[in-house]
Amino acid sequence: GAGVSQSPSNKVTEKGKDVELRCDPISGHTALYWYRQSLGQGLEFLIYFQGNSAPDKSGLPSDRFSAERTGGSVSTLTIQRTQQEDSAVYLCASSRQGDSEQYFGPGTRLTVT
Amino acid sequence: AQSVTQLDSQVPVFEEAPVELRCNYSSSVSVYLFWYVQYPNQGLQLLLKYLSGSTLVKGINGFEAEFNKSQTSFHLRKPSVHISDTAEYFCAVSNSGTYKYIFGTGTRLKVLA
Repeated sequence: GAGVSQSPSNKVTEKGKDVELRCDPISGHTALYWYRQSLGQGLEFLIYFQGNSAPDKSGLPSDRFSAERTGGSVSTLTIQRTQQEDSAVYLCASSRQGDSEQYFGPGTRLTVT
Repeated sequence: AQSVTQLDSQVPVFEEAPVELRCNYSSSVSVYLFWYVQYPNQGLQLLLKYLSGSTLVKGINGFEAEFNKSQTSFHLRKPSVHISDTAEYFCAVSNSGTYKYIFGTGTRLKVLA
């Protein structure tokens, strides 16, 4: 079946602009995660959605970052007033309820110039 | 706080030679452990996971890992590598029953002909 998809695959934006990154999880997966992968660093947890529960936003690095998940499916990660340090690959993952395994999308490479 | 250490940022190895990629974590509580592989310009793919039971875990593509609670380690091994194993490998840990992965910084495996 279809895996996790993310769009766009690449995004170049100017410093100060807002960007939106999209994630389509695997159908039927109730949990959705966003991670950031910066050069030379591991994957950094950003936010977690599970069903209708309040999201765990504890990993968001600043209030410029926000995410929503509509209808329990598609999620959008928004970065406002982008900074050069926001340049990274943003990965989305999903999982079935109660399953420890996360399935990752191909990521969106964000470059802030 | 939970942390994961992958001491080797890069590991070069000749084709058909054995390889071990090291992973240590810091936790005194029960954990789940994972190894993911990331091929160039792709998302992460699960190689294997330890949840409970036998400490020797076998995964895909001939990889295996051993959970050592006393040494808080979960090293990944393969007895004979192929060129196609060239990729970045990430170790991750989560506290049992929780969803949030903590990732290591990754080990880039380069298999040489």
